[in-house]
Amino acid sequence: NAGVMQNPRHLVRRRGQEARLRCSPMKGHSHVYWYRQLPEEGLKFMVYLQKENIIDESGMPKERFSAEFPKEGPSILRIQQVVRGDSAAYFCASSLTLGDRIDGTNHGYTFGSGTRLTVV
Amino acid sequence: DQQVKQNSPSLSVQEGRISILNCDYTNSMFDYFLWYKKYPAEGPTFLISISSIKDKNEDGRFTVFLNKSAKHLSLHIVPSQPGDSAVYFCAEIVLLSSGSARQLTFGSGTQLTVLP
Repeated sequence: NAGVMQNPRHLVRRRGQEARLRCSPMKGHSHVYWYRQLPEEGLKFMVYLQKENIIDESGMPKERFSAEFPKEGPSILRIQQVVRGDSAAYFCASSLTLGDRIDGTNHGYTFGSGTRLTVV
Repeated sequence: DQQVKQNSPSLSVQEGRISILNCDYTNSMFDYFLWYKKYPAEGPTFLISISSIKDKNEDGRFTVFLNKSAKHLSLHIVPSQPGDSAVYFCAEIVLLSSGSARQLTFGSGTQLTVLP
């Protein structure tokens, strides 16, 4: 499967614990985007990373959330001291370019299947 | 303030009829609008896009119409099939604040149910 791989698919954490969500982009893709979908809402942009760099984190909550995309290995979205309001589906997308080759067939983004985080 | 709005959370249509999904936006400075389809427990998959310089794009059973004066776009599916039952999101492509890449701004989605 050459798609965007996210794991785990489901993650249950107690309040106050840490959650780590992993995203392996498509082969050859060097741009990773994280989105969060709260219940009954659309997907909201969180952060955009390239290898070893955070390009834009304007959608990230100011506290407890961090993201990285190391030179080797998957991108990690880390949530410290989780609270019930963090329960959501977290989606990762990757792209080869900056998404600028957008036409009728190539929109530049491929999404993973998501990680559903439940905080109890 | 929502930049992209999908005011109908759900829509039911009979198989073979036309499905029309609507989306309104506030930001005129977009480059493209994209429609995504999402099944439960899966990520969104790209369906069709439209450039800001066009007013229509067609791909098989799917056609997207853009009305810039009304800041409105719609996705038409004809004929509708039961396999089309999914949540449909419209998404706007905008530049990120860094100016170096693009994020997607999604609407809240419309659940389409096609009845056999």
